[in-house]
Amino acid sequence: GNSVTQMEGPVTLSEEAFLTINCTYTATGYPSLFWYVQYPGEGLQLLLKATKADDKGSNKGFEATYRKETTSFHLEKGSVQVSDSAVYFCALSSSNTGNQFYFGTGTSLTVIP
Amino acid sequence: IAGITQAPTSQILAAGRRMTLRCTQDMRHNAMYWYRQDLGLGLRLIHYSNTAGTTGKGEVPDGYSVSRANTDDFPLTLASAVPSQTSVYFCASSGGTSINEQFFGPGTRLTVL
Repeated sequence: GNSVTQMEGPVTLSEEAFLTINCTYTATGYPSLFWYVQYPGEGLQLLLKATKADDKGSNKGFEATYRKETTSFHLEKGSVQVSDSAVYFCALSSSNTGNQFYFGTGTSLTVIP
Repeated sequence: IAGITQAPTSQILAAGRRMTLRCTQDMRHNAMYWYRQDLGLGLRLIHYSNTAGTTGKGEVPDGYSVSRANTDDFPLTLASAVPSQTSVYFCASSGGTSINEQFFGPGTRLTVL
């Protein structure tokens, strides 16, 4: 079946620190992979995505590379800001399952000045 | 309207009462989804609809029903609310030129006492 496992939180970092949030997946077929971000009191917003192996998604300084050999899609940012404080969700979608989404449990990030 | 709207924003409900959460999108997306978000569990799919006139069960459908009479609206009904249905509910849609991406509404915070 399809599932996503992501790094447990919460994560607390100082401003300008390097961020990695791990995400691994199990899927049938060839899924698309996503990172969504949820700011306090809001719905989820797409942060970046990758639709095939070795693709790199990037947005707002965040990056993630679709690694088929390790079934991973780790989120990274070189220098976090206070405004990056949010909950981050890894997700996959596969045409084999009618494009339904499977979400990880979310990782809470707090960046302190 | 731009995107997805949900109503109400929040609601406190007595156990045993009936409640309908509303969701409307103006993007002409074919697919719509209802999730619940609970701490430590991430987002879990309740029901979905791939196109107007059709619906399907997600991971946690018990106690919930949906209908999809037209493209824009996808209401979620709790026939007889129970305290375990206390959660934040998110509606989402996908379709158009970005078939895989899901767009989320702002959420409804429901408390069942």
